[in-house]
Amino acid sequence: AAGVIQSPRHLIKEKRETATLKCYPIPRHDTVYWYQQGPGQDPQFLISFYEKMQSDKGSIPDRFSAQQFSDYHSELNMSSLELGDSALYFCASSTGQGPYEQYFGPGTRLTVT
Amino acid sequence: GNSVTQMEGPVTLSEEAFLTINCTYTATGYPSLFWYVQYPGEGLQLLLKATKADDKGSNKGFEATYRKETTSFHLEKGSVQVSDSAVYFCASIQGAQKLVFGQGTRLTINP
Repeated sequence: AAGVIQSPRHLIKEKRETATLKCYPIPRHDTVYWYQQGPGQDPQFLISFYEKMQSDKGSIPDRFSAQQFSDYHSELNMSSLELGDSALYFCASSTGQGPYEQYFGPGTRLTVT
Repeated sequence: GNSVTQMEGPVTLSEEAFLTINCTYTATGYPSLFWYVQYPGEGLQLLLKATKADDKGSNKGFEATYRKETTSFHLEKGSVQVSDSAVYFCASIQGAQKLVFGQGTRLTINP
């Protein structure tokens, strides 16, 4: 079965640079979620989109922005990167109907040096 | 808001031992409950789920029952294997909203 695709899998950036993470949801899933997981921590919700509109927002820094496109893929744009942004970034997708279980991609490991 | 609390780890067991990882939740309504597993260097995999009280989710020998009276969703397995070594996350969700995770429990199974 098709799964959530994330790219790139690994990314190394320097402080103050920008990064773009991409997420391709499972076919026919219309909702995308972004989570950030620091070392040894549980995933923290950043932002979500349903039918290309932002549906919820969590602890996402103002330096980050995201959008969902007409083909339902999503991109997370991160600017003025800081050392503390080093983390695993997961994308998850679900259908807009219950029980709303979310399926996760393999994640993008971002390292800021 | 919703919250999830898991038993603190790490947990170390011998192969074929019985496993219990405790999970309790707080919510204003009746959330759906999940267990996710994360193997080293990998993403989160949905292990099992329950969407209403008294539902039992099961998969790969793991089970968890949604207990409304104790607001719990404890994960159990009768006989663990070395390959079960991973980090386990309990999570809750209400509607089409964000998942709220517990802090995770690292499980190590020794041969």
